[in-house]
Amino acid sequence: KAGVTQTPRYLIKTRGQQVTLSCSPISGHRSVSWYQQTPGQGLQFLFEYFSETQRNKGNFPGRFSGRQFSNSRSEMNVSTLELGDSALYLCASSLRGGLETQYFGPGTRLLVL
Amino acid sequence: GENVEQHPSTLSVQEGDSAVIKCTYSDSASNYFPWYKQELGKGPQLIIDIRSNVGEKKDQRIAVTLNKTAKHFSLHITETQPEDSAVYFCAASDTGGGADGLTFGKGTHLIIQP
Repeated sequence: KAGVTQTPRYLIKTRGQQVTLSCSPISGHRSVSWYQQTPGQGLQFLFEYFSETQRNKGNFPGRFSGRQFSNSRSEMNVSTLELGDSALYLCASSLRGGLETQYFGPGTRLLVL
Repeated sequence: GENVEQHPSTLSVQEGDSAVIKCTYSDSASNYFPWYKQELGKGPQLIIDIRSNVGEKKDQRIAVTLNKTAKHFSLHITETQPEDSAVYFCAASDTGGGADGLTFGKGTHLIIQP
């Protein structure tokens, strides 16, 4: 089976812009979670989607949002970008969430100038 | 919410020796504890996980132990090899990624010296 794929792999934006990142989960997986990874804060949970519904949410401002489509593909959006949003954004998929193992994609590296 | 502490932040061992990485967690409701390995330019890769009804789990050279009373769990890598060099993350969750997702430790940079 193909693994989790994320596009684009690299992105450069300027402050104030918005960005949309995409994640395709492993075939058959219905749960998609998003994480932000920075050198200072480490890996932090953003939100989880299951069957097109946001099921869980981490402690991030409303500028961070996401959605999931009927084929389980997910997108996350960051509006009004700030310098501190520069990070590696990781997507992970699992069959149903809960105690299921999460498999991570390679991430999208976002640089905000 | 959950808080996971991981030590050490950097660990250098001679090839062939063992490496041990330790994590503590704060939420006694946590019941799922995965370990991930992250190589440069890649996403984290699951190497082993343990659930709260088990005290120890082994997979070839890798083992994880869990002490729920003390709220700590450890990763043991025996007979280390150069390809074990990477950053290792422990994580905890009360539903395996549910209410607050996985809470990760800050990571351990494992260096295998030839």
